[in-house]
Amino acid sequence: SYVLSQPPSLSVAPGKTATITCGGDIIGTKSVHWYQQRPSQAPVLVIYHDNLRPSGVPERFSASNSGNMAALTISGAEVGDEADYYCQAWDSGSDHGVFGGGTKLTVL
Amino acid sequence: EVYLVESGGSVGRPGGSLRLSCATSGFKFEDFDMSWVRQRPGKGLEWVSVINWNGAIRSYADSVRGRFTISRDNAKKSLFLQMNSLRADDTAVYYCAREGGYNYGYVYWGQGRLVTVSS
Repeated sequence: SYVLSQPPSLSVAPGKTATITCGGDIIGTKSVHWYQQRPSQAPVLVIYHDNLRPSGVPERFSASNSGNMAALTISGAEVGDEADYYCQAWDSGSDHGVFGGGTKLTVL
Repeated sequence: EVYLVESGGSVGRPGGSLRLSCATSGFKFEDFDMSWVRQRPGKGLEWVSVINWNGAIRSYADSVRGRFTISRDNAKKSLFLQMNSLRADDTAVYYCAREGGYNYGYVYWGQGRLVTVSS
């Protein structure tokens, strides 16, 4: 089955740039989506189709996808960005959705 | 505005059954595939199942295939998850979710329903 790999945690100082990676076999050929989840809340889509932002998501959130790695970048990180972040893609081979294991972002 | 509201059985025994429902509003239900995603306590998101717009195509995660059945009632704008042969590791918050369009990511989520499987 298709696997997406994320680092379990990442720390960044306020105002700096955080980059969360999502590794997968030829992930660059898939459409990757990113979600933000705060404690005890449902996930929120922050990036779809590799690098598009839904309305209401700040421009500080951007993403890329190429080769075997996708990445979510948060520029000028704020304390309010502290959350778990998940990448997600569709594995057409198995007809399954797949989530990465999640990355806990700490801003301090 | 789009709403997804889960309800249904919250506590079950190992080997038993539970049924979850997801009532929807604010969009044309029959135009969209619908999914279930779960999250075990303290763990990450896990994709569970998807059903296409008319119910003809269904797909399941390996962890639930053969035990769970996804279905829908377009007239009632509702999604269901029948969970049989429950195991302790089925304990999780179950979310009903809808994509923005085909492979547009899950834009809309329910608030989640905690299902606990325990003897």
